[in-house]
Amino acid sequence: GAGVSQSPSNKVTEKGKDVELRCDPISGHTALYWYRQSLGQGLEFLIYFQGNSAPDKSGLPSDRFSAERTGGSVSTLTIQRTQQEDSAVYLCASSLLGEWSPSGHFGNIQYFGAGTRLSVL
Amino acid sequence: EDQVTQSPEALRLQEGESSSLNCSYTVSGLRGLFWYRQDPGKGPEFLFTLYSAGEEKEKERLKATLTKKESFLHITAPKPEDSATYLCAVGRGGGSQGNLIFGKGTKLSVKP
Repeated sequence: GAGVSQSPSNKVTEKGKDVELRCDPISGHTALYWYRQSLGQGLEFLIYFQGNSAPDKSGLPSDRFSAERTGGSVSTLTIQRTQQEDSAVYLCASSLLGEWSPSGHFGNIQYFGAGTRLSVL
Repeated sequence: EDQVTQSPEALRLQEGESSSLNCSYTVSGLRGLFWYRQDPGKGPEFLFTLYSAGEEKEKERLKATLTKKESFLHITAPKPEDSATYLCAVGRGGGSQGNLIFGKGTKLSVKP
């Protein structure tokens, strides 16, 4: 079946401009996550949506970052007034949070898209 | 503070030379330890999840093991196509059930 889809794959913008990044999760997945991957760094959690619950925004680095998830499916990450330090790969993942493994363990296998490479000039 | 540390940062092997990658973690309420593979320009690809100390999982030339403090990814007789960055992550319980905490990864290069 179709995996997590992200667009655009690459985005070049000028400092100070706003950008929108899109994520289409795997159909039926209730949880959606945004991460940021900078050169030489691990994946950094940004925001997490689960069903109709209020999103966990604890990873957003500043108020220039925001995200929406419409209809429990597609999500958009918006970065306002971009800065050079925002340059990174932005990864989206989805999961069936709460899926129980055959052995009875709580599962949270996250499936990732290919990412959007953002370059701020 | 919840933390994941991977070592080494980079590993160069000859084809057929077996080795292990390490993932050390400190986390409150472990809910799964995850291994991913990431190729250049692509998103992480899920490999394994382990839940309990002593658990092991295998897939082709890869075998993942878990203790209370660390996990190992053993690579037996690697091939050039195993070259990639291997990421380790932990899931947490309590109020932080969503996001995973990732290590910085080990970049593996296998030369023919």
